[in-house]
Amino acid sequence: KAGVTQTPRYLIKTRGQQVTLSCSPISGHRSVSWYQQTPGQGLQFLFEYFSETQRNKGNFPGRFSGRQFSNSRSEMNVSTLELGDSALYLCASSSGQYSGNTIYFGEGSWLTVV
Amino acid sequence: DAKTTQPTSMDCAEGRAANLPCNHSTISGNEYVYWYRQIHSQGPQYIIHGLKNNETNEMASLIITEDRKSSTLILPHATLRDTAVYYCIVRVALGGGSQGNLIFGKGTKLSVKP
Repeated sequence: KAGVTQTPRYLIKTRGQQVTLSCSPISGHRSVSWYQQTPGQGLQFLFEYFSETQRNKGNFPGRFSGRQFSNSRSEMNVSTLELGDSALYLCASSSGQYSGNTIYFGEGSWLTVV
Repeated sequence: DAKTTQPTSMDCAEGRAANLPCNHSTISGNEYVYWYRQIHSQGPQYIIHGLKNNETNEMASLIITEDRKSSTLILPHATLRDTAVYYCIVRVALGGGSQGNLIFGKGTKLSVKP
């Protein structure tokens, strides 16, 4: 079956703009998480959604937000982009039904802020 | 902070077994050990996970010590395509429909050499 799909794969934005990234989880998965990866900070957890509700949030400023739709697809938004927001943004999905299930990652969206 | 400690880098000869160690001395009784790998510019790839019993799948074997304070990922016959950064992660279980977040450390850079 299809894996986690993220769009767009690559994008370039200007400082001060906003960006929306999209994630389609594996069919049947209801839990979606987002991560940011940078060379300096590594992989860091942004937030998690399950059944359209944010269940868990990492230590990021309010400029980073997300939502989940009834079909489990998720979007994340970053407003007022800063140069430091340049990163690989990863989406991960799982069934969310218990803590020992498998979490699968997408290929990520590469964001460059200039 | 990551709850795991891994060597920064390791080398392995092609065709030999690669044994990647991980220390997780503060792991709780209901927390799983997960292994992912990441090849440059791609999303993390799930390898295997376990709670307390040893696990094996088509990719690797996971050996967890009886006290659960450390584990070893074994790639039985390493190939050049196994060159990647390998992450050992203790998954924080939150329950209530949340998948919890994966706290990534810096991982082990495995180089498989011909």
